Amino acid sequence: EAQVTQNPRYLITVTGKKLTVTCSQNMNHEYMSWYRQDPGLGLRQIYYSMNVEVTDKGDVPEGYKVSRKEKRNFPLILESPSPNQTSLYFCASSHGDFVGYTFGSGTRLTVV
Amino acid sequence: GNSVTQMEGPVTLSEEAFLTINCTYTATGYPSLFWYVQYPGEGLQLLLKATKADDKGSNKGFEATYRKETTSFHLEKGSVQVSDSAVYFCAPPNAGGTSYGKLTFGQGTILTVHP
Repeated sequence: EAQVTQNPRYLITVTGKKLTVTCSQNMNHEYMSWYRQDPGLGLRQIYYSMNVEVTDKGDVPEGYKVSRKEKRNFPLILESPSPNQTSLYFCASSHGDFVGYTFGSGTRLTVV
Repeated sequence: GNSVTQMEGPVTLSEEAFLTINCTYTATGYPSLFWYVQYPGEGLQLLLKATKADDKGSNKGFEATYRKETTSFHLEKGSVQVSDSAVYFCAPPNAGGTSYGKLTFGQGTILTVHP
């Protein structure tokens, strides 16, 4: 089944403890992207990647890192999480902007 | 840059009512246009798309026509069901050029359908 898989689905962590949210797609998509969704603020792009070793900042990159060492994986790294990073995170992938994106099921992160 | 203006919600309808969610866009070139839907507790799903002027995208009874003259891509459904309750996002046109991959959605429109 073609899909984008995020792990974990739910995570509660403490301020300052480094964490990684994984994202993997099995569709050989070139484009991958991370979003956060917050009430009243909609869906905002954190980072995106157009291919292996090619990444760029979205609208809200502060406090996040990404890497794209393999085409199928695009992990989101929070080096020192803070409570304002409590949010619902989505990974998405696509063959390109002209064909639409496939989204993962989301990761609900709580930083206390 | 490319952007959309989407009708704010929430929208509340009775079952079998007609639905319109307005979306207008600004863009350079000839972008593809998309509507996404997010059901409760799930990620976004591509609902429909149109790739050129006058194209009509359709899926699950929803339709949207790419109107270049009015720069609009309004979402419509003739008879909504309770199961259509979700958040609907009109995606900004692909930015293209040096901004491929940069794509930020807005807040979406919350639709609630009552029996």
